[in-house]
Amino acid sequence: AAGVIQSPRHLIKEKRETATLKCYPIPRHDTVYWYQQGPGQDPQFLISFYEKMQSDKGSIPDRFSAQQFSDYHSELNMSSLELGDSALYFCASSLLRVSGANVLTFGAGSRLTVL
Amino acid sequence: EDKVVQSPLSLVVHEGDTVTLNCSYEVTNFRSLLWYKQEKKAPTFLFMLTSSGIEKKSGRLSSILDKKELFSILNITATQTGDSAIYLCAVEVDSGGSNYKLTFGKGTLLTVNP
Repeated sequence: AAGVIQSPRHLIKEKRETATLKCYPIPRHDTVYWYQQGPGQDPQFLISFYEKMQSDKGSIPDRFSAQQFSDYHSELNMSSLELGDSALYFCASSLLRVSGANVLTFGAGSRLTVL
Repeated sequence: EDKVVQSPLSLVVHEGDTVTLNCSYEVTNFRSLLWYKQEKKAPTFLFMLTSSGIEKKSGRLSSILDKKELFSILNITATQTGDSAIYLCAVEVDSGGSNYKLTFGKGTLLTVNP
């Protein structure tokens, strides 16, 4: 079965550079979530999109932006990178259910290292 | 602010032992509680709980939710070394406008020694 695909898997950047992470959700899933997990930390919600529109925003720095495209893939853009941005970035997708609950399926993550 | 607290933070057991992992929460607009297992990379889904008192089982794993006391437990019986992982508890909340998001606990690191 198709899973959530993230790329790149690993990325090394220097301070003040820009990075872009990509996420391809499970086909027919209409919601994409981005989470940041620092070393030894729990995943922190950054931002989500429903049907290509931003639906919710968490602790995403102003230096970061994201969007979801017409093919439902999403990109997380990070500018002016700082050492503290080094983390595992997870994308997850789900099929939004207004009643019931939403089970997120996570991608394998993109590990960003800022030197 | 939504809060999810897991305990213990770390647990070391021997193969064959039974373990109980705890998750308590204080959130606004609770929808569901989910357990994930995180090994090397991405969290993988274990259970979703929405109703109190109904046990979910999958092999040696089981979980139950108490919405009155605001907690859930995850039990693993006859543990195996392959159960070694971080177990994450996450609570789904309704943040308004049909927006839903997960708030994670810090996880319980389970190490099962042979």
